[in-house]
Amino acid sequence: DSGVTQTPKHLITATGQRVTLRCSPRSGDLSVYWYQQSLDQGLQFLIQYYNGEERAKGNILERFSAQQFPDLHSELNLSSLELGDSALYFCASSAQGAAAGYTFGSGTRLTVV
Amino acid sequence: GENVEQHPSTLSVQEGDSAVIKCTYSDSASNYFPWYKQELGKGPQLIIDIRSNVGEKKDQRIAVTLNKTAKHFSLHITETQPEDSAVYFCAHNSGGSNYKLTFGKGTLLTVNP
Repeated sequence: DSGVTQTPKHLITATGQRVTLRCSPRSGDLSVYWYQQSLDQGLQFLIQYYNGEERAKGNILERFSAQQFPDLHSELNLSSLELGDSALYFCASSAQGAAAGYTFGSGTRLTVV
Repeated sequence: GENVEQHPSTLSVQEGDSAVIKCTYSDSASNYFPWYKQELGKGPQLIIDIRSNVGEKKDQRIAVTLNKTAKHFSLHITETQPEDSAVYFCAHNSGGSNYKLTFGKGTLLTVNP
């Protein structure tokens, strides 16, 4: 157990729907990062939050949004889902920044049918 | 740019042999270079990292070397064991960023008993 908790582990939903993925960071970590992993694109950075504030944005689609709550857990919202959104979504956390290394959760496998 | 090239994409070795995976980056401002191991069904796990003020770091059977002039870094695994079979990712903090890590596309290492 890495200390980073992601729920749910698996999600199957239809095209056009909206889902919410949840992440609880390791105790004491203030930064949360979201990544999308697909076979052909590898690990793609989506977005980072630090203590409730957005700090960096990657190639995150407009249909996707995220937030970090006062208790430091984070949610990634994916809407108007398309078949191509099927992937593994990972959350990671760190005590300070990326240059101190991340701890990843076990991921949420999203299947859009 | 922020991308990192990782080679080879697949590597098959006999148990007891050594394995070497190499990554090349282009941003001279990058100063943190971690390696992650991802086993099937799990999130990536940090196994070793190196900073730009160090040329080599070793942890038991795993070592990482960094050549800042040539802008490449390598993962060396000696005396490989079947449990070393996994996907290995290199990463760097492009631009010296403290906000995100950029990952290579991964190397599938298979250690044959």
